[in-house]
Amino acid sequence: IAGITQAPTSQILAAGRRMTLRCTQDMRHNAMYWYRQDLGLGLRLIHYSNTAGTTGKGEVPDGYSVSRANTDDFPLTLASAVPSQTSVYFCASSGDWTGSVGELFFGEGSRLTVL
Amino acid sequence: AQSVTQLDSHVSVSEGTPVLLRCNYSSSYSPSLFWYVQHPNKGLQLLLKYTSAATLVKGINGFEAEFKKSETSFHLTKPSAHMSDAAEYFCVVGLTGGYNKLIFGAGTRLAVHP
Repeated sequence: IAGITQAPTSQILAAGRRMTLRCTQDMRHNAMYWYRQDLGLGLRLIHYSNTAGTTGKGEVPDGYSVSRANTDDFPLTLASAVPSQTSVYFCASSGDWTGSVGELFFGEGSRLTVL
Repeated sequence: AQSVTQLDSHVSVSEGTPVLLRCNYSSSYSPSLFWYVQHPNKGLQLLLKYTSAATLVKGINGFEAEFKKSETSFHLTKPSAHMSDAAEYFCVVGLTGGYNKLIFGAGTRLAVHP
């Protein structure tokens, strides 16, 4: 079934540890995104990538990094996790950026707890 | 500045009764507006999208929303709620800016009772 796969689905992490959340899509979408979801705040964009080889910062990029070596994969790395990064993380993708906003397709999320 | 306000954090209805989820937006430009739905422990799924064509937009599962520029509103409605409609609903403003920039509302949790 085509879509977005995230891993892990859930993780408990000690503060200060490094963590990479994986995201893979098989829809050949050029654009990919990472959001965090926190109660009462909706979803907030961490980083995005319009095409392989390029990335950009969203609303809340501090403490996170991304890479986009190819079309399918868009990992999110927490270099040194802190408790405020406890959240549910969603990866999403969309078709080509055409100058107007299109539909995003979401993965099922990765629940991260930093102690 | 662009923003989205969902006026109710929780809405509870009985099965078979109408659903109204309220959303107001603020945008300097003619916006793209969306409603997404999130079922428990799932990702978000697009319900419907407004992009300056017809002001009444029909989506999946019997939902529809009406864009009212004078009221800066984009309320989501459904004539008759079903148990499977119980979920979190997000109103979203889409902005141009070099990428798909979406501003999410805080969400409205819809409960449907038998």
